[in-house]
Amino acid sequence: DIQMTQSPSSLSASVGDRVTITCRSSQSISSYLNWYYQKPGRAPNLLIFGGSTLSSGVPSRFSASGSGTEFTLTITSLQPEDFASYYCQQNYDRPYTFGQGTKLEI
Amino acid sequence: VQLLESGGGLVQPGGSLRLSCAASGFPFTNFDMTWVRQAPGEGLEWVSSFTGRSRRTYYAESVKGRFTISRDDSKSTLYLQMSSLRVEDTALYYCARDSGVYEYWGQGTLVIVSS
Repeated sequence: DIQMTQSPSSLSASVGDRVTITCRSSQSISSYLNWYYQKPGRAPNLLIFGGSTLSSGVPSRFSASGSGTEFTLTITSLQPEDFASYYCQQNYDRPYTFGQGTKLEI
Repeated sequence: VQLLESGGGLVQPGGSLRLSCAASGFPFTNFDMTWVRQAPGEGLEWVSSFTGRSRRTYYAESVKGRFTISRDDSKSTLYLQMSSLRVEDTALYYCARDSGVYEYWGQGTLVIVSS
């Protein structure tokens, strides 16, 4: 199975900050990398797919890049609703594994 | 698209439970479906998938031999039969429509394994 490793596991930031989350895969996955965010008590929501394509309705302050084994999710100008947990997931090869998550806290 | 899980509850270690996920709003037969779980305070863990066309099943090592995924396309419903349950299976279980990307999720059904 492909292992996904996110860093950091938690991150403290303030409204207006720019933050970056990194996701690394144990083998090359091309751009088959998706990002989800999850608020407490809610189901996850798709944020970005195909490495860098924003899902419908996702604000432009979110961006993502990378290919191969290293990927990043960047949020510019953090808003209060962005404080949540973020997960990467590879869909290069089954099983489609998740990273362990990054909790973004105020 | 709607996904509605049910069947969760409190069960003793060693017990069994069957989860259901009723789907609507899309051609169920054409889509792979997946179960993902989340233990309290923990991250997302892929559990099992059932592909639509090739009818293949996949299981996480942690549940292999104990859980069985199935689907009834005539009822647009996905199932997860869980047996030999362990305390560490305690989690919120989500079903998701699987196109490689989990674009749609249910609200989850809670499974608590405790004596």
